[in-house]
Amino acid sequence: GESVGLHLPTLSVQEGDNSIINCAYSNSASDYFIWYKQESGKGPQFIIDIRSNMDKRQGQRVTVLLNKTVKHLSLQIAATQPGDSAVYFCAEIPTGTASKLTFGTGTRLQVTL
Amino acid sequence: NAGVTQTPKFRVLKTGQSMTLLCAQDMNHEYMYWYRQDPGMGLRLIHYSVGEGTTAKGEVPDGYNVSRLKKQNFLLGLESAAPSQTSVYFCASSDSRRIAYEQYFGPGTRLTVT
Repeated sequence: GESVGLHLPTLSVQEGDNSIINCAYSNSASDYFIWYKQESGKGPQFIIDIRSNMDKRQGQRVTVLLNKTVKHLSLQIAATQPGDSAVYFCAEIPTGTASKLTFGTGTRLQVTL
Repeated sequence: NAGVTQTPKFRVLKTGQSMTLLCAQDMNHEYMYWYRQDPGMGLRLIHYSVGEGTTAKGEVPDGYNVSRLKKQNFLLGLESAAPSQTSVYFCASSDSRRIAYEQYFGPGTRLTVT
């Protein structure tokens, strides 16, 4: 069936470097794509979203890129910090599902000093 | 402003026992959700509510019931717990006046069924 998935389960990045977390999706009919961050022992926290008619959106130290041709979503974190260590989930809202999120399986980002 | 709170934080049940998980939010949000999270998997939607007195099934509703008698509370019930329901349960809420996918999550309830 339709699914949202991730390429890598764990990503290790040195402090100060840029991080790129990737996500593949298979549902072409989604209105929004969203990235969430989940720190150990906590609930997910909204990071940034992108509407399906956009290619790029920037936030504070984060950029989300959407490539609809290959159904690929990425989250770029600039100057990665130890506080960025967490599991990152991509999620999508399929059209007509009234804000119900479909989550991917998550990528763990480990920031090394 | 506490945001989204969940009670209890941890619970161990025996197979066949029942329990209710309580979710409360103080942000006056219309939408509320219950998810479960299993190791190596993303969150899966169990049930959700778009307003007081309304509930709807999500992706994995079997074995669970919910009630939204008050706008600020969303209860998740397990009538007869099974080991397959061992998981971490998250409640979330969102504001229908804004983009509803910006969901605010509680800290989670870790449930073990033996």
